[in-house]
Amino acid sequence: GESVGLHLPTLSVQEGDNSIINCAYSNSASDYFIWYKQESGKGPQFIIDIRSNMDKRQGQRVTVLLNKTVKHLSLQIAATQPGDSAVYFCAENYGGATNKLIFGTGTLLAVQP
Amino acid sequence: NAGVTQTPKFQVLKTGQSMTLQCAQDMNHNSMYWYRQDPGMGLRLIYYSASEGTTDKGEVPNGYNVSRLNKREFSLRLESAAPSQTSVYFCASSTKFHTGVEQYFGPGTRLTVT
Repeated sequence: GESVGLHLPTLSVQEGDNSIINCAYSNSASDYFIWYKQESGKGPQFIIDIRSNMDKRQGQRVTVLLNKTVKHLSLQIAATQPGDSAVYFCAENYGGATNKLIFGTGTLLAVQP
Repeated sequence: NAGVTQTPKFQVLKTGQSMTLQCAQDMNHNSMYWYRQDPGMGLRLIYYSASEGTTDKGEVPNGYNVSRLNKREFSLRLESAAPSQTSVYFCASSTKFHTGVEQYFGPGTRLTVT
């Protein structure tokens, strides 16, 4: 899950396993959520998004689940590959018309071959 | 398409020096953003430009200024650098300034202020 400390939480998985990364968001009025992947030394890269009127959305090998009751978001990666190793963080839009995103601190996914 | 490009990639400044970080996008996006990323913290918005000709403060604007030079370019200026501004700076852009619109990020500028 997310962390406000100096050290990122780490999820270590074996290649081929499924990964689940969690995120607790802060604002019940948030209406749009994004998962980003950030490889070392690079900028964040969009993975998948979901609007608040949905509970689940699937992409290629990734699924995002949204539980508005407990303000929780998760990213599931199927058949995790070494190239999936990166920091993953969620972002929420606080609602309204503006595109101001609030970002979580991230989880480091380490894929063991 | 190069997407979002940033220069320089790395910079070391002494306290009190000034510099400008450059950002350009070739996706014809209307909105552009500057963020900073510090260890243990999420990306924080410094300034944004919802459309060409407008700029507004984000969450952490103190010590920075911006210029939306044209639709493609959005620069971030540090007038008098301080060690607290040591960070990685990311520029981003989106088609419009509206919820539900993806932001595309550049590769970042790593700035160290000594």
